[in-house]
Amino acid sequence: GQNIDQPTEMTATEGAIVQINCTYQTSGFNGLFWYQQHAGEAPTFLSYNVLDGLEEKGRFSSFLSRSKGYSYLLLKELQMKDSASYLCAVLNAGNNRKLIWGLGTSLAVNP
Amino acid sequence: DVKVTQSSRYLVKRTGEKVFLECVQDMDHENMFWYRQDPGLGLRLIYFSYDVKMKEKGDIPEGYSVSREKKERFSLILESASTNQTSMYLCASSWDRGAREQFFGPGTRLTVL
Repeated sequence: GQNIDQPTEMTATEGAIVQINCTYQTSGFNGLFWYQQHAGEAPTFLSYNVLDGLEEKGRFSSFLSRSKGYSYLLLKELQMKDSASYLCAVLNAGNNRKLIWGLGTSLAVNP
Repeated sequence: DVKVTQSSRYLVKRTGEKVFLECVQDMDHENMFWYRQDPGLGLRLIYFSYDVKMKEKGDIPEGYSVSREKKERFSLILESASTNQTSMYLCASSWDRGAREQFFGPGTRLTVL
């Protein structure tokens, strides 16, 4: 089967660093995406990894290990506005137009 | 900037009504998608289209149909709305090359009474 796992909820403190993990088991792999979704809004694209390693984009970084079926999203210098749900999604190699979505990790940033 | 628009932010319909949700994108994307999102169930794909007049079923197509007569427009149709179709409906689009990241519209919150 195809499965993406990520923690349901996390909390962190303003100014701190938080790491959100995602593990996946899919029949193929053509890239992994992270999206941010604020309550009541649509998901917005954060990052894309297709090769192993770390991709850095400002306060956000994303890491991929294809051999382990594992990714994480690292958020630094947390701000209150980072309180949101973070969705992990995998582009399947078999049908490389559809994304397989995780259920999302709800992050609460406290003062 | 990529822009994906949806016809309504909020919609209230009665059981048995025919409902049309429209989505328009302005980036010449080949692929377009309709999802619904419910608490605890995440994003679930209803239908997608990779070209004009082409469509493929997603994971939960029952009770829905779609239409793509023009490249920029993708419509979701609820033939006879039921209360279990109360949900947030999200449209997305992507190029059919490169990373294929999906860009989302603002969503339509549909309530069926």
